[in-house]
Amino acid sequence: GESVGLHLPTLSVQEGDNSIINCAYSNSASDYFIWYKQESGKGPQFIIDIRSNMDKRQGQRVTVLLNKTVKHLSLQIAATQPGDSAVYFCAENIDSWGKLQFGAGTQVVVTP
Amino acid sequence: DTEVTQTPKHLVMGMTNKKSLKCEQHMGHRAMYWYKQKAKKPPELMFVYSYEKLSINESVPSRFSPECPNSSLLNLHLHALQPEDSALYLCASSPGGHDNQPQHFGDGTRLSIL
Repeated sequence: GESVGLHLPTLSVQEGDNSIINCAYSNSASDYFIWYKQESGKGPQFIIDIRSNMDKRQGQRVTVLLNKTVKHLSLQIAATQPGDSAVYFCAENIDSWGKLQFGAGTQVVVTP
Repeated sequence: DTEVTQTPKHLVMGMTNKKSLKCEQHMGHRAMYWYKQKAKKPPELMFVYSYEKLSINESVPSRFSPECPNSSLLNLHLHALQPEDSALYLCASSPGGHDNQPQHFGDGTRLSIL
């Protein structure tokens, strides 16, 4: 979803459940995508990336899926933990200088 | 702990002051970036340095002046800022070149303009 004013889209997840965060990107020529996690008072932290020649990539407890047909990216977090509470941003690399275009962000809140 | 170090963590300044934000990385990265982030918003690119040369200026007002003294350091000089410039200023670095690699961010400088 898109943010309106000062309100980030929020995903509430129960501890132990799986989370899915979605992102629509804009440039069909983008060939590299990154997910970042930003905790309060900190900078964005790299989670996982994927190149356009792949449609799935797995990390530790995280999976990124890329659907180039509909320009959609998703991040799946398995067995969500309280430490996963943060704002998650997708980003697409839109030129050869490494210029990133960030999505609006999704606030993930993990409840006990 | 992040491998990109930014100082100071917090800065309060008046509109007539001159101050500088500093960023340092020792990962051997050759591309460095400045971003501005307002509350509840994604980071917005300001400047890109590649191999110590300014390669992108996203039409940033001249009251922000970047400097890259060497491959490990990036500064942002501030002068005559406006209240709307209050934000979190993030520095990032990446290996550089044209091979897609993730940017690594520092924890930012929280800037408040009085």
